[in-house]
Amino acid sequence: DAGVIQSPRHEVTEMGQEVTLRCKPISGHNSLFWYRQTMMRGLELLIYFNNNVPIDDSGMPEDRFSAKMPNASFSTLKIQPSEPRDSAVYFCASRGQGGYGYTFGSGTRLTVV
Amino acid sequence: QKEVEQNSGPLSVPEGAIASLNCTYSDRVSQSFFWYRQYSGKSPELIMSIYSNGDKEDGRFTAQLNKASQYVSLLIRDSQPSDSATYLCAVSTGANSKLTFGKGITLSVRP
Repeated sequence: DAGVIQSPRHEVTEMGQEVTLRCKPISGHNSLFWYRQTMMRGLELLIYFNNNVPIDDSGMPEDRFSAKMPNASFSTLKIQPSEPRDSAVYFCASRGQGGYGYTFGSGTRLTVV
Repeated sequence: QKEVEQNSGPLSVPEGAIASLNCTYSDRVSQSFFWYRQYSGKSPELIMSIYSNGDKEDGRFTAQLNKASQYVSLLIRDSQPSDSATYLCAVSTGANSKLTFGKGITLSVRP
């Protein structure tokens, strides 16, 4: 089991640029979650999918953020245009059917300068 | 706004002591409760889950749940320096639902 795989591990970009974060969930898991972690706000849920369908995107901060899950093995989180306040660690997590807790990926540390 | 609150930290205990970490939640329909451990620079790792009132023990860890008081805690017995990490409390309303996390409390175990 390779676990939840995120890429890139680190991303440094300039304000205004487009950023795409990628996630591969654990095979067989049907729920996928995107979280953002900062010192000030802790872990915040941005969006989650069940069976590739977005269920709750109320945590997406604004229209600059979008997420897709085109199939069961891949999801992206896109920020366009990026701003310095988007700097954070972005985690992807997945969970199996009927499961409770979930497994996190290693995260992407995003720095927008 | 459904909230999960944890004690403000950090918490420092000597090696071998019992560390007590506390968490309260606001949503009365919450059914599932979790403790995650996060080492600096790493991702959260699930260490305990509890679904019924009372205590659940796993090695040096004991989770305690009191739904009437909307309170869940984690006790770490015989604390070790390797237990030094941030501990996150998480709550959900059941299977297939999202987890809401507290901000975490940082534990430091002094040798």
